[in-house]
Amino acid sequence: QKEVEQNSGPLSVPEGAIASLNCTYSDRGSQSFFWYRQYSGKSPELIMFIYSNGDKEDGRFTAQLNKASQYVSLLIRDSQPSDSATYLCAVMDSNYQLIWGAGTKLIIKP
Amino acid sequence: DGGITQSPKYLFRKEGQNVTLSCEQNLNHDAMYWYRQDPGQGLRLIYYSQIVNDFQKGDIAEGYSVSREKKESFPLTVTSAQKNPTAFYLCASRQGTSTGELFFGEGSRLTVL
Repeated sequence: QKEVEQNSGPLSVPEGAIASLNCTYSDRGSQSFFWYRQYSGKSPELIMFIYSNGDKEDGRFTAQLNKASQYVSLLIRDSQPSDSATYLCAVMDSNYQLIWGAGTKLIIKP
Repeated sequence: DGGITQSPKYLFRKEGQNVTLSCEQNLNHDAMYWYRQDPGQGLRLIYYSQIVNDFQKGDIAEGYSVSREKKESFPLTVTSAQKNPTAFYLCASRQGTSTGELFFGEGSRLTVL
């Protein structure tokens, strides 16, 4: 069974520091990788996607992909209290279906 | 504004009752999805539809039913056969079947009394 694993947390990070979120996946045929942010009681929203090995930066967010090791990570620089949320990793499998991790709860402490 | 509208936002059901959750989108998306989310868990796929009048079971379809009579609408019925229906239900859509960005509705929280 295809799986996406995330540390459930909570991950506590001081305001202004770098938050690092990790995700591993089992399907080597996966091609596309996504990070969604979900505030408590709300629906997920896409913040980053990455297709190629390496880094992709968008503002304070950087997604990192290593297909050989089957992991994808999300770095949040200059963390703000508004970044406190659950971050969901989603992987598109070879059938174009999204496989979801359980999410990592991030807490940014002022 | 384009988006996905789910209703109702909160719903209470007595055991043995069927309930229907509404999902309407005006994004002109082909594919629509229903997910269930339980506390501390990721999204689990219930049903999806890639085209009108066609839909497929997801990983946890038992006790649920759907229809796709119009491109804009994808209602989900939670039947009395669903043993543990209390959960947060999310409807989503995307432009094509190979793109990754899902657009979500605000969700419907179902509680069984």
